[in-house]
Amino acid sequence: RKEVEQDPGPFNVPEGATVAFNCTYSNSASQSFFWYRQDCRKEPKLLMSVYSSGNEDGRFTAQLNRASQYISLLIRDSKLSDSATYLCVVNIDWDSGNTPLVFGKGTRLSVIA
Amino acid sequence: DGGITQSPKYLFRKEGQNVTLSCEQNLNHDAMYWYRQDPGQGLRLIYYSQIVNDFQKGDIAEGYSVSREKKESFPLTVTSAQKNPTAFYLCASSSLGTSGKLGEQYFGPGTRLTVT
Repeated sequence: RKEVEQDPGPFNVPEGATVAFNCTYSNSASQSFFWYRQDCRKEPKLLMSVYSSGNEDGRFTAQLNRASQYISLLIRDSKLSDSATYLCVVNIDWDSGNTPLVFGKGTRLSVIA
Repeated sequence: DGGITQSPKYLFRKEGQNVTLSCEQNLNHDAMYWYRQDPGQGLRLIYYSQIVNDFQKGDIAEGYSVSREKKESFPLTVTSAQKNPTAFYLCASSSLGTSGKLGEQYFGPGTRLTVT
């Protein structure tokens, strides 16, 4: 079983729509969780950290469900500029914090005018 | 401005040649990482370093080597032993910090290596 799994998409949605992605992780010891955004041929950039029960940042909401071992990302009022690949990322070692992250392969979102 | 720089952005080499990719950060981060990304694939960890003069192999270290002589710098050498070196190489760094941002990594712009 893969450590971090995501639906690769693509998710094609109209502007203004609400879209949600899920990501499952296999290691129950996972301690911290992140969503990164990667534009085509660019480096990943941190979108949101998800440390406890989830958090919200403008149009973006991230949720964590430890019992079912998944995190989700909700994007409201989608903009054309939201088109990108969204990477689910998990950190297993809490104490150190500097151990490698485990990356999902990403979910591609395309927002259409 | 603080950040991570990688150079060059594009690099072309002939098969059989070693090549070194540069990664420098001025974020005062303790840890640095090298990843490889192939088209349509996720990031795969090559090497990482948590402290100067120390580094660990990642999932795909074969055919690569690194050094960490300075906190700011973590160069990656792609050797001729690497069977499929053509890829997008990303360097990242992270710090424990005091703001609870454990584990957050920041990436450089990447180097696209093509070996023919």
